[in-house]
Amino acid sequence: GAGVSQSPRYKVAKRGQDVALRCDPISGHVSLFWYQQALGQGPEFLTYFQNEAQLDKSGLPSDRFFAERPEGSVSTLKIQRTQQEDSAVYLCASSPIYGYTFGSGTRLTVV
Amino acid sequence: AQTVTQSQPEMSVQEAETVTLSCTYDTSESDYYLFWYKQPPSRQMILVIRQEAYKQQNATENRFSVNFQKAAKSFSLKISDSQLGDAAMYFCAYRSLRNTGTASKLTFGTGTRLQVTL
Repeated sequence: GAGVSQSPRYKVAKRGQDVALRCDPISGHVSLFWYQQALGQGPEFLTYFQNEAQLDKSGLPSDRFFAERPEGSVSTLKIQRTQQEDSAVYLCASSPIYGYTFGSGTRLTVV
Repeated sequence: AQTVTQSQPEMSVQEAETVTLSCTYDTSESDYYLFWYKQPPSRQMILVIRQEAYKQQNATENRFSVNFQKAAKSFSLKISDSQLGDAAMYFCAYRSLRNTGTASKLTFGTGTRLQVTL
């Protein structure tokens, strides 16, 4: 596609539920990033992939967060046993080498 | 670690007027990129303008220009002839020039909400 596609656009999860957020990057983009944006804040880095390799996961807030990109294209961010503090917008961005194209994010609300 | 600070949570400008959004950053690196992104209610981050730290000339994109003061670690965005469509959250961001996995991530400020009034 022409842009970065994220799904679902909105997700409401009950506390303790597992969720999976999908990112479909621009075809051919080597780099893929996940960011978490809490309400009223700037995005914060979660993790980075170069093709299928996860080169940096230093921003993942706990071991309940897991990301994968098994074939170097689509990526999934999984959050296990969701908690209220996980409520945020999750943004995905892809990049050929320099420059970034962002998706419209998934707004996760944990109730 | 790099930090980016935006000290103006909200700004307001009248249509057709000029507004300046402030950003300061902290880094020990000498080579890096700085960005201004616009985030409308659709949530997608849209690149407004980019500045390479090794370039002394301030970047300009149509009605948008920056005042880059490297020694002061200041990077402000000027929007001229403001339009209603400029209303959005604006984020300043930093990226290391080193093209390694960790270095290529963006570090964002907390944002400035710009209102444009008639």
